[in-house]
Amino acid sequence: QVQLVQSGAEVKKPGASVKVSCKASGYTFTSYGISWVRQAPGQGLEWMGWISAYNGNTNYAQKLQGRVTMTTDTSTSTAYMELRSLRSDDTAVYYCARDSPTSTVTEDAFDIWGQGTMVTVSS
Amino acid sequence: DVVMTQSPLSLPVTLGQPASISCRSSQSLVYSDGNTYLNWFQQRPGQSPRRLIYKVSNRDSGVPDRFSGSGSGTDFTLKISRVEAEDVGVYYCMQGTHWPSFGQGTKVEIK
Repeated sequence: QVQLVQSGAEVKKPGASVKVSCKASGYTFTSYGISWVRQAPGQGLEWMGWISAYNGNTNYAQKLQGRVTMTTDTSTSTAYMELRSLRSDDTAVYYCARDSPTSTVTEDAFDIWGQGTMVTVSS
Repeated sequence: DVVMTQSPLSLPVTLGQPASISCRSSQSLVYSDGNTYLNWFQQRPGQSPRRLIYKVSNRDSGVPDRFSGSGSGTDFTLKISRVEAEDVGVYYCMQGTHWPSFGQGTKVEIK
């Protein structure tokens, strides 16, 4: 079945970096993109950015520009999200979701989500 | 950035009664292809979001027909015709016409 499986929970100190993975199965990885969405404890959903698994193009939310990098490994159908210079307010559950393969919108966007990865930033 | 505003933020409902959630966008959500990319998601406690509705009114596979979406332009609504216990959770609207953005969420609980 179509699914996205994410890496396990992480605990990091302020100033460190974290890299979360999202492995796709059940569909052709390079025919879609991946968006990353985070949710701080008790809060709503925040879109972080998008990467095309088709051509590697990216677009990041303005507030995270310079701290986030999204990549893909098409040989393993895996997407990665790295966040640097972590702060306490980066503590959140991080989700990956299937998205459009290009910046052109499609109806498939956000139809499949990963199970989430809890990232805790604490000294 | 497109701001999505939901109301109410909390919605206590009686089992078997209808419920309605409003979502308004700060800009038109009509895309260049003529479609409107407005989605609705359900997030049950402790779970990942699940897409219920795409392009305003299209139900995803497996979504009960008591859920319906409507609206156009900047004004959208999610309706549950008869609330069941399994519908408890937080509901989010999300626009995908521009770079994505979510509403604040509406918490649905049973009275």
